Amino acid sequence: DTEVTQTPKHLVMGMTNKKSLKCEQHMGHRAMYWYKQKAKKPPELMFVYSYEKLSINESVPSRFSPECPNSSLLNLHLHALQPEDSALYLCASSYQGRSGANVLTFGAGSRLTVL
Amino acid sequence: KQEVTQIPAALSVPEGENLVLNCSFTDSAIYNLQWFRQDPGKGLTSLLLIQSSQREQTSGRLNASLDKSSGRSTLYIAASQPGDSATYLCAVSGGSSGYSTLTFGKGTMLLVSP
Repeated sequence: DTEVTQTPKHLVMGMTNKKSLKCEQHMGHRAMYWYKQKAKKPPELMFVYSYEKLSINESVPSRFSPECPNSSLLNLHLHALQPEDSALYLCASSYQGRSGANVLTFGAGSRLTVL
Repeated sequence: KQEVTQIPAALSVPEGENLVLNCSFTDSAIYNLQWFRQDPGKGLTSLLLIQSSQREQTSGRLNASLDKSSGRSTLYIAASQPGDSATYLCAVSGGSSGYSTLTFGKGTMLLVSP
């Protein structure tokens, strides 16, 4: 298995809803990431987990809550979102190659629309 | 703070042309540089990764070069095809040994017409 799988592919939610995005990989990668991408913009880093511990939080509002239950799974819990949070949410995982470089593999993304 | 710039923002060429996409970055202290492809509404596909100690990488019709001291990279696409139409993103890597923090450029939107 050489993929990062994200579910759901599409999500529509109201501002009072609570929902979650899920990301899974079975490549043995020990770092996992959440990126946010607005239309016609580059991806922006939100969170990094390394060995199941939160290593980076790029000052993301608390209405986004990441969780890494185990080394294969990464969740993003969503609550009280705003319409401007509508975006493509990309998950990635990485391993450290022999050269020392961390090579990222991205999932197909979850398209979120907040009404 | 690292900034990545890609030129041109958009490019339209007829099939068969060779083309060059440019990427520049402000902080030369990078671990590596990656070129990605993104189709509309889709995730990112890694095309090439160049280590900071390397000068270039090749994969099929793609060749990427890196001049770390001047903060520049180019992606060369030979004999372009309509299937190459996509947005191409350049990203430079910082971070620690356990993970990588990528800073992306805004991308070059490529359209190859038959």
